[in-house]
Amino acid sequence: EDQVTQSPEALRLQEGESSSLNCSYTVSGLRGLFWYRQDPGKGPEFLFTLYSAGEEKEKERLKATLTKKESFLHITAPKPEDSATYLCAVQNTGFQKLVFGTGTRLLVSP
Amino acid sequence: EAQVTQNPRYLITVTGKKLTVTCSQNMNHEYMSWYRQDPGLGLRQIYYSMNVEVTDKGDVPEGYKVSRKEKRNFPLILESPSPNQTSLYFCASRAQGLLYGYTFGSGTRLTVV
Repeated sequence: EDQVTQSPEALRLQEGESSSLNCSYTVSGLRGLFWYRQDPGKGPEFLFTLYSAGEEKEKERLKATLTKKESFLHITAPKPEDSATYLCAVQNTGFQKLVFGTGTRLLVSP
Repeated sequence: EAQVTQNPRYLITVTGKKLTVTCSQNMNHEYMSWYRQDPGLGLRQIYYSMNVEVTDKGDVPEGYKVSRKEKRNFPLILESPSPNQTSLYFCASRAQGLLYGYTFGSGTRLTVV
């Protein structure tokens, strides 16, 4: 069964304090790994798709990387507006189902 | 504006009273999906559709029905809601090709009493 585990559950940073969020996954065949951002009371917002180990994607202060067992979302010099829950999801090569982790709640204080 | 529209945003209903949550997208996406989000369990897929008249079960399909008669619409039907279906529901759509992640609606908060 495909599984996604995200850590930490919650992370509190000072503005400008860089850190990383982790997404560990178990999947029989990885078709794609996705990162989403979710603000309170809203639907998730797509950030990145990663397809294979070694791949990296960047968007503003966010950089996502992928290995064969995990993905990291690096946040460089975060700002308060980066506060949100970050979700990781995987899609198996054999299925259209998307399996999500439970997310990391990030709070960035000024 | 490209978007996924769900209605209603909030709904309180009683056990056993059939209800439908509507979902519509204006992006001509092939794929559509329904998720429920519960504290500690994250987002779980209920049903998905790869195109008109093509639907399949996700991880938690029990107690739900869907139909895809038109490309833009993907309603979620609860024939006999029960309290354990109290949850936050999201509809999402995406184009073919993994490059495109899902675009999610704003959510429907359902309470079954």
